[in-house]
Amino acid sequence: EVQLVEFGGGLVQPGGSLRLSCATSGFTLTNHGMSWVRQAPGKGLEWVSTISDKIYYADSVRGRFTISRDTSKNTLFLQMNSLRAEDTAVYYCAKYQSALTSIFDYWGQGTLVTVSS
Amino acid sequence: DIQMTQSPSSLSASVGDRVAITCRASQNIITFLNWYQQKPGRAPKLLIYGASSLQSGVPSRFSGGGSGTDFTLTINSLQPEDFATYYCQQSYTVPTFGRGTKLEIK
Repeated sequence: EVQLVEFGGGLVQPGGSLRLSCATSGFTLTNHGMSWVRQAPGKGLEWVSTISDKIYYADSVRGRFTISRDTSKNTLFLQMNSLRAEDTAVYYCAKYQSALTSIFDYWGQGTLVTVSS
Repeated sequence: DIQMTQSPSSLSASVGDRVAITCRASQNIITFLNWYQQKPGRAPKLLIYGASSLQSGVPSRFSGGGSGTDFTLTINSLQPEDFATYYCQQSYTVPTFGRGTKLEIK
């Protein structure tokens, strides 16, 4: 059974850093692209970053966020630096159905990141 | 980036009704279009991928169609558990989502 479980959310001051983790099981991490998708309170879904054959970032986070994965631990990460109030959101990790096509067939439960002083 | 425009932004319907939600892409995405359902406090759930393929376990009252720039999600015979927010998403390039359609009980 595929499972995705996010960790690491919390309250952080503007300009601070946070590292999110997504523990995966039930599939081979290297065989599937993975993404982070966020949702600000009361708003829609916003794609943040993908790691597949390459790494991609949304313009809003490029240069501040870094996606990575540890295949030995079956874990996906998102290092978030220089955080801003507008980064406040629930962050979901999501699995690609295949290696390269961004069809998100499984999602984690989400972890809330709040950027506030 | 490819922009995805969903309509309507909200919709009221009754149990048993048939409803349709549309999604328009800012450029040709062939059939690289997916639909998700999200309930309050929950993660999104994949319903339809490749414009018209039903994800495993999703009831057959959900169907999708379209190609190019115009797509539709249709729900036949609405059930109480279908009242939720629906999002389209293109997978032709780096993913982008529509702004969502909130389906409410009339």
